[in-house]
Amino acid sequence: GQNIDQPTEMTATEGAIVQINCTYQTSGFNGLFWYQQHAGEAPTFLSYNVLDGLEEKGRFSSFLSRSKGYSYLLLKELQMKDSASYLCAVRAGHNDMRFGAGTRLTVKP
Amino acid sequence: EAQVTQNPRYLITVTGKKLTVTCSQNMNHEYMSWYRQDPGLGLRQIYYSMNVEVTDKGDVPEGYKVSRKEKRNFPLILESPSPNQTSLYFCASSLSSGSYEQFFGPGTRLTVL
Repeated sequence: GQNIDQPTEMTATEGAIVQINCTYQTSGFNGLFWYQQHAGEAPTFLSYNVLDGLEEKGRFSSFLSRSKGYSYLLLKELQMKDSASYLCAVRAGHNDMRFGAGTRLTVKP
Repeated sequence: EAQVTQNPRYLITVTGKKLTVTCSQNMNHEYMSWYRQDPGLGLRQIYYSMNVEVTDKGDVPEGYKVSRKEKRNFPLILESPSPNQTSLYFCASSLSSGSYEQFFGPGTRLTVL
């Protein structure tokens, strides 16, 4: 089976940097995903890692260590609009997609 | 506009009354999936479909049915809804099962009394 853990809530200040961690246990790892979900809205895709290392996309970066079963999402230059839930998801094989419970990030002025 | 649509967006019903939530995508995606989202549990996959006439169970399929007669549509059927199926439901699609990006519909908030 799969187990995905991420913090329930985090708070950060506008303009700062925040790192949201995700640890997982799975068999047949085939990719780790981060999604952003604003309250009352659908999740939207942020990033995908399948190999170890850092993937950078603008203000957002995602890191993966397969040997440690660990990923993080790094958000730089935080803006108020970044207040949302961030969902870590792991795919095993081609079809088995499991999501963590999500981390609710609050950005304060 | 490329999108996934769901209907209805909100539904209040009573135990045992059959209902269908429709899902449609206009991106010619092969892979479609249904999730439910509950507080503290995250998104859980109910059923998925890799292509027309190909469907399979996800993590929580009990009490649900699906069909995939056309590529664009993937309805979710609750034959006899119960209160524990009160949840927020999302349909999603991607180009294929191996694609890295899934596109989610706007969600359907279902309450079963």
